[in-house]
Amino acid sequence: SQKIEQNSEALNIQEGKTATLTCNYTNYSPAYLQWYRQDPGRGPVFLLLIRENEKEKRKERLKVTFDTTLKQSLFHITASQPADSATYLCALGAPAVDSNYQLIWGAGTKLIIKP
Amino acid sequence: DTAVSQTPKYLVTQMGNDKSIKCEQNLGHDTMYWYKQDSKKFLKIMFSYNNKELIINETVPNRFSPKSPDKAHLNLHINSLELGDSAVYFCASSQGGGWTSDNSPLHFGNGTRLTVT
Repeated sequence: SQKIEQNSEALNIQEGKTATLTCNYTNYSPAYLQWYRQDPGRGPVFLLLIRENEKEKRKERLKVTFDTTLKQSLFHITASQPADSATYLCALGAPAVDSNYQLIWGAGTKLIIKP
Repeated sequence: DTAVSQTPKYLVTQMGNDKSIKCEQNLGHDTMYWYKQDSKKFLKIMFSYNNKELIINETVPNRFSPKSPDKAHLNLHINSLELGDSAVYFCASSQGGGWTSDNSPLHFGNGTRLTVT
């Protein structure tokens, strides 16, 4: 069956360290993958996009990798800060059965950065 | 300036009632969406409109009816509300279409928390 998985347990990281979140998928052939941040009571906010032919993307303290062989994306936040605490969602863009594309969402990983 | 705004933020109602949620975007985007986020936090697409035309209509009970009077607005009307409809409903927009290989990011509103009692 097709599925996309993120760590369901919260990730606790000490301030200043690097936080690494994973997004694993099975039985999809994605064209791209997006990462979003969601704060309590708010909608998801887009952070980064990585395409299937890209290995790595960076934006300030954020870095995303995409390994289509391992079927995995890693999302890194370096020099983490308490303000980075939020739930992070990955979303896979992949062909659907009707030849359109679909955006499939993971359930998100809650990241807690401790001072 | 709020890019995607939806109202109301909270909606508490009884089973069997009919309710509407409104959404407006001022980003000039061509595509708008309705998503449902359940208690397990999964986001599931319900509908997608491109320039007022329905593009995606996932398996959603026909008690849910979207309406797009223009490309900046996408409203959601729900008839005969049931307990299982309780969830957070998100409106979103994007420049491109989510049903294509276009990878345009989505811009979300802050959600409407619907509670059916």
